[in-house]
Amino acid sequence: DTAVSQTPKYLVTQMGNDKSIKCEQNLGHDTMYWYKQDSKKFLKIMFSYNNKELIINETVPNRFSPKSPDKAHLNLHINSLELGDSAVYFCASSQDYGGGRGQYFGPGTRLTVT
Amino acid sequence: SQQGEEDPQALSIQEGENATMNCSYKTSINNLQWYRQNSGRGLVHLILIRSNEREKHSGRLRVTLDTSKKSSSLLITASRAADTASYFCATDGDSGNTPLVFGKGTRLSVIA
Repeated sequence: DTAVSQTPKYLVTQMGNDKSIKCEQNLGHDTMYWYKQDSKKFLKIMFSYNNKELIINETVPNRFSPKSPDKAHLNLHINSLELGDSAVYFCASSQDYGGGRGQYFGPGTRLTVT
Repeated sequence: SQQGEEDPQALSIQEGENATMNCSYKTSINNLQWYRQNSGRGLVHLILIRSNEREKHSGRLRVTLDTSKKSSSLLITASRAADTASYFCATDGDSGNTPLVFGKGTRLSVIA
């Protein structure tokens, strides 16, 4: 029944490793997003993606890359992890591009880089 | 760049009291949305108000929007302990196809 799901919920890894976070939505939405929430709770958009267009926040390092095998999935790959990547990462989806009618969020993945 | 700024950063009230949170933004918008985030959870969409609307209600929630002042308020009436959460406003640009930009949130604590 979960609308937007993410795995894993917790991820602890060492600097320099490569990791992936998976996201799936069963709402039939066309657009999916990745957000990063830092320790001060500031939520920052990383990517917006639908089957036509990927918009990357220019401040996101190219070590981060979204991969979408199909419309229901948007995975986040992170290469050469750094300490500053520690945060909670949220996947979200929306019916419209931009989320102007509301976005549905996953439960988050807490990434800790040691 | 950050669009919404919530005020206050933290708010503590007694159960049954009303809670008011404010949000200011910088650029023209299509709509403004409010979300709730319980500790350790994802954000939940609460209510959306369009730029041509001034007030909207949903249950115990009341949202106002003043586009001339670029500000919005979220009022939660008769608060409950379960309302304890962080509340975020989010705005989209008026040019279309722009992602939501979230503020830093107001941390609401409702004491039973």
